[in-house]
Amino acid sequence: QVQLVQSGAEVKKPGASVRVSCKASGYTFTTYDINWVRQATGQGLEWMGWMSPDSGATGYSPNFQGRVTMTRDTSINTAYMELSSLRSDDTAVYYCASNKPNTGDFDFWGQGTLITVSS
Amino acid sequence: QAVLTQPSSLSASPGASASLTCTLRSDINVATYNIYWFQQKPGSPPQYLLRYKSDSDKRQGSGVPSRFSGSKAASANAGILLISGLQSDDEADYYCMLWLTNFWVFGGGTKLTVL
Repeated sequence: QVQLVQSGAEVKKPGASVRVSCKASGYTFTTYDINWVRQATGQGLEWMGWMSPDSGATGYSPNFQGRVTMTRDTSINTAYMELSSLRSDDTAVYYCASNKPNTGDFDFWGQGTLITVSS
Repeated sequence: QAVLTQPSSLSASPGASASLTCTLRSDINVATYNIYWFQQKPGSPPQYLLRYKSDSDKRQGSGVPSRFSGSKAASANAGILLISGLQSDDEADYYCMLWLTNFWVFGGGTKLTVL
């Protein structure tokens, strides 16, 4: 069965960077895009960007342009999202989700990773 | 003006139907867009429900009951998620989403209470 398993919770200081991983299994990693979506406590969903594990192509939300980088390691079927210059309002649960390219069919989601930014 | 506007909350009774709206900003014509819907329960990631563009162009998520369906209200420039035969398990947050030129946009979500 398809699974996306994310790395564990982290606490970071303001100004630091964080990298969250998303390991895929149960399907051919390069055939589906990976999106990253975050959700602050009690708030709605916010799309951050997408990446093609096949080509490495990326597209980022203007809200995160310049601070977010999405990469992958196809040898271990893992996608990564790195967010830099962290602020307190980056405290949120970060999700990866896979979709058929060029669609919003986010059929599968990771369990989420809580990133807390606090001094 | 937000790209996608959803009412913050909605209440309905078990067995009844609930119509959740997702209103597009006035310069975005709902007729030309796929509207996606997700359900999220507390402590869990969102779950894909369906995509709706038209009656002839739609997709139901795997395992999603046919009680969940999509439609559009052109006069209101809105996408609609209709849930019929409401069950207590349908109590959740519901989000709409669309692709706007170069990025995905989510609505603010509707908290559906079944009581």
